[in-house]
Amino acid sequence: QKEVEQNSGPLSVPEGAIASLNCTYSDRGSQSFFWYRQYSGKSPELIMFIYSNGDKEDGRFTAQLNKASQYVSLLIRDSQPSDSATYLCAVSAGGTSYGKLTFGQGTILTVHP
Amino acid sequence: EAGVTQFPSHSVIEKGQTVTLRCDPISGHDNLYWYRRVMGKEIKFLLHFVKESKQDESGMPNNRFLAERTGGTYSTLKVQPAELEDSGVYFCASNRGGETQYFGPGTRLLVL
Repeated sequence: QKEVEQNSGPLSVPEGAIASLNCTYSDRGSQSFFWYRQYSGKSPELIMFIYSNGDKEDGRFTAQLNKASQYVSLLIRDSQPSDSATYLCAVSAGGTSYGKLTFGQGTILTVHP
Repeated sequence: EAGVTQFPSHSVIEKGQTVTLRCDPISGHDNLYWYRRVMGKEIKFLLHFVKESKQDESGMPNNRFLAERTGGTYSTLKVQPAELEDSGVYFCASNRGGETQYFGPGTRLLVL
């Protein structure tokens, strides 16, 4: 079992729709959860982080965390073609491994006009 | 403020040769991380420096990899001797502590 699992996609949504990206993790000790966006050939760029159960909203993005189900998701409202990228879910365990990020394989999102 | 920089952007070497990758973190960032993404796989953690000390090197694949951060500023990652399976993109990231990790553009390494 992979430590962080994501559906690799590709996920294709029409412009203006809601894109829903999902991620599950295996380590119950995970403390922090991150969503990065990576355009082809570029570096990962942080979109959002979430520490507590529930929802966290930032503009068109909403991160949702359910620690009991070991599940974290990212919703992108009013999707734009510029949102087309690979979305990476990452978790951090905290403690002595506080800096280490464990990544999923990424979900490729395509927003078509 | 300049971001994380990495050099070279690309490197093509033959199996058995040595390659040294460099990372310059954002100024003032004590934490520096190395990650690697091999073809078709997820980004994987290699190690974490706090200033010049190795905080966590649990992800280093074997003793052909040597990371240093003399003086707590830039870091180098040396692969000696390189093998075919070392091909991939090597990312460096930095932060002050407990914050977002800012990633560099990566070094694309191809071992032939």
